[in-house]
Amino acid sequence: RKEVEQDPGPFNVPEGATVAFNCTYSNSASQSFFWYRQDCRKEPKLLMSVYSSGNEDGRFTAQLNRASQYISLLIRDSKLSDSATYLCVVTLDTGRRALTFGSGTRLQVQP
Amino acid sequence: DAGITQSPRYKITETGRQVTLMCHQTWSHSYMFWYRQDLGHGLRLIYYSAAADITDKGEVPDGYVVSRSKTENFPLTLESATRSQTSVYFCASRPGQGGEKLFFGSGTQLSVL
Repeated sequence: RKEVEQDPGPFNVPEGATVAFNCTYSNSASQSFFWYRQDCRKEPKLLMSVYSSGNEDGRFTAQLNRASQYISLLIRDSKLSDSATYLCVVTLDTGRRALTFGSGTRLQVQP
Repeated sequence: DAGITQSPRYKITETGRQVTLMCHQTWSHSYMFWYRQDLGHGLRLIYYSAAADITDKGEVPDGYVVSRSKTENFPLTLESATRSQTSVYFCASRPGQGGEKLFFGSGTQLSVL
């Protein structure tokens, strides 16, 4: 079983739509959670961290459910520029300081 | 411009050849990482380093060698390239303290024929 699992998509949505991605992780000791964004053939970039209480950054909302071991990302009012692959990332605070990435969910926002 | 740079951007080589991918960062970040990215697997950790002269294996280290004689450099060597090592390689770094954000290089696309 993969440590971090995501639906690969693609999710094809019209501009202005609301779309949500889920991600599950296998290690209950995982401590930190993130969403990264990756544009085609480019390096991943941090989109937002995910906190236990949930957090929002503009049109983006991230939530964590430790009991069920999943995190989610909600994008409201989708823009064409949101088209990308969204990577779910978790880390263990074991001193290793390495992040474990999911395979990503591809989003295509259509005009 | 300061940051993290990888070279070469693209590389084609033949099976059995030795290849070295370079990674250089100007922030003096303690931690550096090498990931490979393949379809269906996402990014997988090859090796990482917590400081100069300290390296450790990640998830998929076989066939790779790293060194870190200086904080700013973290080269990755494929000792005898195989076709299965055709991939996109990303180097990343982050500070020793304060946050989990990874800073990635632009990647090296390696093809082994």
